[in-house]
Amino acid sequence: KQEVTQIPAALSVPEGENLVLNCSFTDSAIYNLQWFRQDPGKGLTSLLLIQSSQREQTSGRLNASLDKSSGRSTLYIAASQPGDSATYLCAVPNSGGSNYKLTFGKGTLLTVNP
Amino acid sequence: DAGVIQSPRHEVTEMGQEVTLRCKPISGHDYLFWYRQTMMRGLELLIYFNNNVPIDDSGMPEDRFSAKMPNASFSTLKIQPSEPRDSAVYFCASSFWGSIDTQYFGPGTRLTVL
Repeated sequence: KQEVTQIPAALSVPEGENLVLNCSFTDSAIYNLQWFRQDPGKGLTSLLLIQSSQREQTSGRLNASLDKSSGRSTLYIAASQPGDSATYLCAVPNSGGSNYKLTFGKGTLLTVNP
Repeated sequence: DAGVIQSPRHEVTEMGQEVTLRCKPISGHDYLFWYRQTMMRGLELLIYFNNNVPIDDSGMPEDRFSAKMPNASFSTLKIQPSEPRDSAVYFCASSFWGSIDTQYFGPGTRLTVL
């Protein structure tokens, strides 16, 4: 059974700092990995999706990397802003091949202080 | 498009009562997912539909939970009878076959069972 762990559970940084969020998964036979953002009282928004054949994906100040062999992914946020404050979750398809069934980590609660 | 719509946004009920949560997926999407989010267990997939047909309900915790999708624009998740441990945020998400990796989440229904 796929298990996803995110460290740290919470992170507080001053505005402007670069930061890294970590995600690890137990079954490396994945098709892809996604990073989501969740704002309080709202649903999840997909930020980046990395296919298993890729090493990284970039969107603006966000860069996500994937190392399947070690079962790890990182989300790098450059020059953090207060608007980046949210919970960040990573998710991978369940073991067994169905891309539709995602296993989520419990998330990292990020607070960027002005 | 308005995105995925869920109602009610908040529901408070007493143990033993029937609870019905509603979801309207994005028009044209043929996959619909129901998730539950708790502090202890994180975000878990309960059931998903394809073209209104339930495909996998292995995540439904007990027979007290049931889900239906009578047409392409409406789905319900029902809990009968409800128990305090059912208290959670319930999310609905939708996607389409051309971009199955990307699920669009609704804002969620926060359920409190007293």
